[in-house]
Amino acid sequence: SQTIHQWPATLVQPVGSPLSLECTVEGTSNPNLYWYRQAAGRGLQLLFYSVGIGQISSEVPQNLSASRPQDRQFILSSKKLLLSDSGFYLCAWTHPGGEEQYFGPGTRLTVT
Amino acid sequence: KNQVEQSPQSLIILEGKNCTLQCNYTVSPFSNLRWYKQDTGRGPVSLTIMTFSENTKSNGRYTATLDADTKQSSLHITASQLSDSASYICVVSVYGNNRLAFGKGNQVVVIP
Repeated sequence: SQTIHQWPATLVQPVGSPLSLECTVEGTSNPNLYWYRQAAGRGLQLLFYSVGIGQISSEVPQNLSASRPQDRQFILSSKKLLLSDSGFYLCAWTHPGGEEQYFGPGTRLTVT
Repeated sequence: KNQVEQSPQSLIILEGKNCTLQCNYTVSPFSNLRWYKQDTGRGPVSLTIMTFSENTKSNGRYTATLDADTKQSSLHITASQLSDSASYICVVSVYGNNRLAFGKGNQVVVIP
């Protein structure tokens, strides 16, 4: 069976510090991968998606970036965090060509 | 613009009672509609998925309906349990590009 992991579960970082969130998927090959942000009282906002290694599409211009160094690894990064980066970050995957998205457990990021 | 509106934003119900959540969308062209359950601090989990030709789908005590003509969907929870306390998110898929439009969710609190 397939599983999706996110690390860390919670994170408190000061403004201006770097960020690295990791997402890994097990039990499948060549998944499509997605990063979402969920702010309090708002819907999920798609940040990045990837259909393969090194292939990243950005949905929203911001100070975040994403990378896919391995087939089942998706990383969300920032060089300098802003207060507005606080939120709940969700990683999701689909089968290639599939539509059903499977979400990870999420990372709660608080920028202070 | 593809939008998904959910109502009520939040509600409190007594354990054992039924409730109905509403989702209206303007997504076009339509591919499918999903309802997700998101426990606090966790990733969303799929409850039901319906295509254009389906007008009802059940998953245990959860029953979703779809009226593609009026672009409305509902999620009915029967005999609510304390574990039903969560946010219920309506997600509509755009046909042809796998893009998703997310509602902000219905926050349900079940009290004993």
